[in-house]
Amino acid sequence: NAGVTQTPKFRILKIGQSMTLQCTQDMNHNYMYWYRQDPGMGLKLIYYSVGAGITDKGEVPNGYNVSRSTTEDFPLRLELAAPSQTSVYFCASSYSWLAGGANTGELFFGEGSRLTVL
Amino acid sequence: SQELEQSPQSLIVQEGKNLTINCTSSKTLYGLYWYKQKYGEGLIFLMMLQKGGEEKSHEKITAKLDEKKQQSSLHITASQPSHAGIYLCGALTGTASKLTFGTGTRLQVTL
Repeated sequence: NAGVTQTPKFRILKIGQSMTLQCTQDMNHNYMYWYRQDPGMGLKLIYYSVGAGITDKGEVPNGYNVSRSTTEDFPLRLELAAPSQTSVYFCASSYSWLAGGANTGELFFGEGSRLTVL
Repeated sequence: SQELEQSPQSLIVQEGKNLTINCTSSKTLYGLYWYKQKYGEGLIFLMMLQKGGEEKSHEKITAKLDEKKQQSSLHITASQPSHAGIYLCGALTGTASKLTFGTGTRLQVTL
C-alpha cells in the first residue's frame, strides 16, 4: 500500500517554463488536495477535489491548474513558472469528512515536491 | 487577518520541560487536526478533535478543543528531542470539504 505518491521530488525550472506535478493515491479516497508550503510557513491550499471530475479553488490558485479524470490521480499544472512559485508542494487525500467512527477525515500526505524557479 | 492563528510562532524549550501551543480560529471549528512535520519532511497526523470540550492524548501529547469550538491547545509533557519539529493545526470551519492550516509553530528542544 503506497499511500500518496508525488513525483518529482525535486525540480528546478526556469522562469516561464511549465510543468506538471503528479499525485497518485491508492486508497480509493474521494478527496484530494494540493498545498504549498513556503519556507518557514504553514500550508496554503491551492486546489482541491471532492471526486473525479470535480475540482475547486483553494486559497492561492493563481498560476496553477488541476484536473481529476480518475479517483487515483490529481495532477497540478504550473503554467509560466514564476519565482514566487518556489515552494514545497504537498498532495494529500482523505476518505471523507466528519464521517465519524474510524473515518476521521484524516489527510494522508505525500512526501512533498520541492520546486525552485530561477 | 489569518483565519487560523497559531501561537507561539516558535518555541525553544529545555528537554524535560512542558509546553503548550495554541490554535485560534476566527470561525467555529467543525473539526480540528494537529499534524507534526519534521524539518524537510512530510506531515504526520497526531490527532483530530470534533466535539467541544474534547480532549485526546497520545503518548506525551495532549490536545483539547474548547467548549466554544474556536480554540485548541496542544500540550507536550516532559519534552524530548524527538518532539522537535513544526506543529500545524488544520481546521474545518465551514465547507466540509477542505482543511485550512495555521502558520505553524516551530519547536526546538535543547539538551
